[in-house]
Parts: sequence; structure tokens; C-alpha cells
Amino acid sequence: SQKIEQNSEALNIQEGKTATLTCNYTNYSPAYLQWYRQDPGRGPVFLLLIRENEKEKRKERLKVTFDTTLKQSLFHITASQPADSATYLCALEGTGGFKTIFGAGTRLFVKA
Amino acid sequence: KAGVTQTPRYLIKTRGQQVTLSCSPISGHRSVSWYQQTPGQGLQFLFEYFSETQRNKGNFPGRFSGRQFSNSRSEMNVSTLELGDSALYLCASSLAGTLGNIQYFGAGTRLSVL
Repeated sequence: SQKIEQNSEALNIQEGKTATLTCNYTNYSPAYLQWYRQDPGRGPVFLLLIRENEKEKRKERLKVTFDTTLKQSLFHITASQPADSATYLCALEGTGGFKTIFGAGTRLFVKA
Repeated sequence: KAGVTQTPRYLIKTRGQQVTLSCSPISGHRSVSWYQQTPGQGLQFLFEYFSETQRNKGNFPGRFSGRQFSNSRSEMNVSTLELGDSALYLCASSLAGTLGNIQYFGAGTRLSVL
């Protein structure tokens, strides 16, 4: 069955460092991959989208890579700040229907 | 532009009861999706509606149902509630629900089943 894996352990980093989050998937051929941010008590907020034929996408301090051979996406936050502390969700969309599959998310803590 | 509005924000029900959750999408958005979020399972897709038609459904029992009205507002109903239905229910809207469409989420309805 389709499966998305994100690091279930929280990621703790120091302010100013680069945070790297991983999203791995199996039994799926996504056309698009998205990253969302979720703060406690709130719904997820869209951050970035990358297509299957794109290797990398950037937006300000955020960078996403997409390797369809490895079936993996990496999400980077450079010069991280305490305000970046949140849960980050990876989401896949395929061509088989109007359905988005989400990973369970990785909790990021940035210490000042 | 107003965001996605979900009501109520919190609900407490007992086993066996039924519940109806409401979602008002962003104006102009025609696709509404519903998700269940629990600490152990993450976001699980329930169903998606577009122009009052259910286009896709997740792997949930028939106790979970939904509908969409002509103004794109959507409701989700859960009958014969079970303890395991306790979760955060999230609604997301998008312009057309096509691939690559960004989903905009509401704050969710926190359902507790006692």
C-alpha cells in the first residue's frame, strides 16, 4: 500500500543552523509533492510545491528537493529561527484521483 | 479574503451519538476535502467534494459521510460514534481540486468521544 514516512522523532537544532527534514515514500508515483507547516491548534499551511520533473525549488529560506529515483524529498530551512518551530508535513499527489496523501509530520524545535 | 471556516471548534459527544461538522471554504473555491488527524496516524484523507459531487473517498467506514451544497459549503457527518473517532477533523478548500492545487485548511474541529 502507499506509504509516506517522515522522521517521527523531533528534530532539535540551534538557531542559525540549517534544518533538514526527510520525506520518503513507497508504492507511489506522485506527480506533485507539497510541504506544509502546522502549528499547535491550527490547520496546516502550504509552504512549497514541487513537480515530479523538478529537482529543486526555493522560496526565501526554504528549499525542497525531489528525487523520484530515491523516492525521497528533502526540506531545508536555512538560518533557522525559533519562529520556525512547528510540525512540517509532506504531502503527495498522484495522477490517480483527487486525493492527497499526507505524512505524519516531523516536529522541529529551534533553540535560541 | 476570509479563510476556511470550520464550526464548531470543539465538540464533546458520547459513544453511539452522531455528529455533524461544517466547513465554509474560501470564496470561489469549489473543492473541499476532509481529513482526520490523530497523533498516531497523522492526516488521513476522508473524502473530497467538487461541485456537490464526491470525487474521491478514503478508507473509512460508511459511518463517515459528507455532502457539499451549491454554495460549496460542506458538511461531514459521523454516525454511531466510537471512542476511536476522537480526533481533529480538518477541512481544506482549493480552487478546482486539480493536481497541484494548493489546499487551504481551516483550524479544525476537535471531537472528543466519551
